[in-house]
Amino acid sequence: DAGITQSPRHKVTETGTPVTLRCHQTENHRYMYWYRQDPGHGLRLIHYSYGVKDTDKGEVSDGYSVSRSKTEDFLLTLESATSSQTSVYFCAIGGQTNQPQHFGDGTRLSIL
Amino acid sequence: QQQVKQSPQSLIVQKGGISIINCAYENTAFDYFPWYQQFPGKGPALLIAIRPDVSEKKEGRFTISFNKSAKQFSLHIMDSQPGDSATYFCAASPISNFGNEKLTFGTGTRLTIIP
Repeated sequence: DAGITQSPRHKVTETGTPVTLRCHQTENHRYMYWYRQDPGHGLRLIHYSYGVKDTDKGEVSDGYSVSRSKTEDFLLTLESATSSQTSVYFCAIGGQTNQPQHFGDGTRLSIL
Repeated sequence: QQQVKQSPQSLIVQKGGISIINCAYENTAFDYFPWYQQFPGKGPALLIAIRPDVSEKKEGRFTISFNKSAKQFSLHIMDSQPGDSATYFCAASPISNFGNEKLTFGTGTRLTIIP
């Protein structure tokens, strides 16, 4: 979908462990985003990046960090996962004027 | 706080009927209003979007109606089909020099079309 690959697609881990999710794009978009999707909340922006090494916080950034060392890759890290971070995580790219944001197919993360 | 309020949470419509989903926003800086469609196991995909300089935009069976003074917008699906069964999200964003990078989403509507 729109040249976006998220990995892994599913992950189960334990509270307190570090977790890294990867988003890879082949579209050379400047902007990349991480969202989480939870019932009753829709999609909420965690962090976004507007270029290599340029990132900013979104609405629900606490407990998450991101890195972007290459245009094509945007990593989301949970330093010490908690059960409240159980969610479906979506990566998106794009959002330039007259262009929509395009989403990947998500990573389902369960923290036990 | 929820800046974009979406209703209803779920909707069941007979095949051939009209499906209507409503959204209301508070932030007057919002200047771009897309609707996304999501099927199970997939990411949201843009369905249709509108800017506030027009009151209505139609693409096939899908129409966005926009009321700037009331700060409301809605999605109408005409001649609803079983293949339209999905979750629909409205969203809103201000328009920056870059574009629409700060989307705020509604909470979603699960639409089911029954034969």
